[in-house]
Amino acid sequence: AQTVTQSQPEMSVQEAETVTLSCTYDTSESDYYLFWYKQPPSRQMILVIRQEAYKQQNATENRFSVNFQKAAKSFSLKISDSQLGDAAMYFCAYRSYTGTASKLTFGTGTRLQVTL
Amino acid sequence: EAGVTQFPSHSVIEKGQTVTLRCDPISGHDNLYWYRRVMGKEIKFLLHFVKESKQDESGMPNNRFLAERTGGTYSTLKVQPAELEDSGVYFCASSQDWGRKGNEQFFGPGTRLTVL
Repeated sequence: AQTVTQSQPEMSVQEAETVTLSCTYDTSESDYYLFWYKQPPSRQMILVIRQEAYKQQNATENRFSVNFQKAAKSFSLKISDSQLGDAAMYFCAYRSYTGTASKLTFGTGTRLQVTL
Repeated sequence: EAGVTQFPSHSVIEKGQTVTLRCDPISGHDNLYWYRRVMGKEIKFLLHFVKESKQDESGMPNNRFLAERTGGTYSTLKVQPAELEDSGVYFCASSQDWGRKGNEQFFGPGTRLTVL
């Protein structure tokens, strides 16, 4: 079974600075997806960024980028030029690429605080 | 376009009582998922519907939980009888396709269930 580990329960960053959230995972599969989801306080969880394991290029979405290290099974999220609206719970998630199993396996989350 | 909605947003019940949670997916989404987050822990998969059929119910904790999706539209998750350990936030998500496409799962705001 796959597992996802987020070792940072809480992180803090100053506005306009850069922060990196860590995620490691364990799997025996070679093909899969990795995701970062964001859940702002009292709001719905939304997808931030997605990475397909077969792609060597790291995914980027505006100020959000990932450092995907397949051999090390590491998938960190970098937030550049942090904004107050980035304050949220961030969840790393894994999904198998093949077969009918499309469930997401999540980590425990990292609460990000953004300070002035 | 309306997002995934869940009802109620909060529910407080006594141990031994019954509670029914409802999820309305995004219109046209065949896939519907239930997840649960117990305080401080990871979000765990419960089950996956494709239209009205249960595709994967490997995450259902026990037979006190019953999920239905009659007609392939909204879904209900009934807990009967509720136990203390059932407390947590129940999330519903929907997606348009499954298989190799890795389509985004859109999440609802969750139902916070407290069993006293």
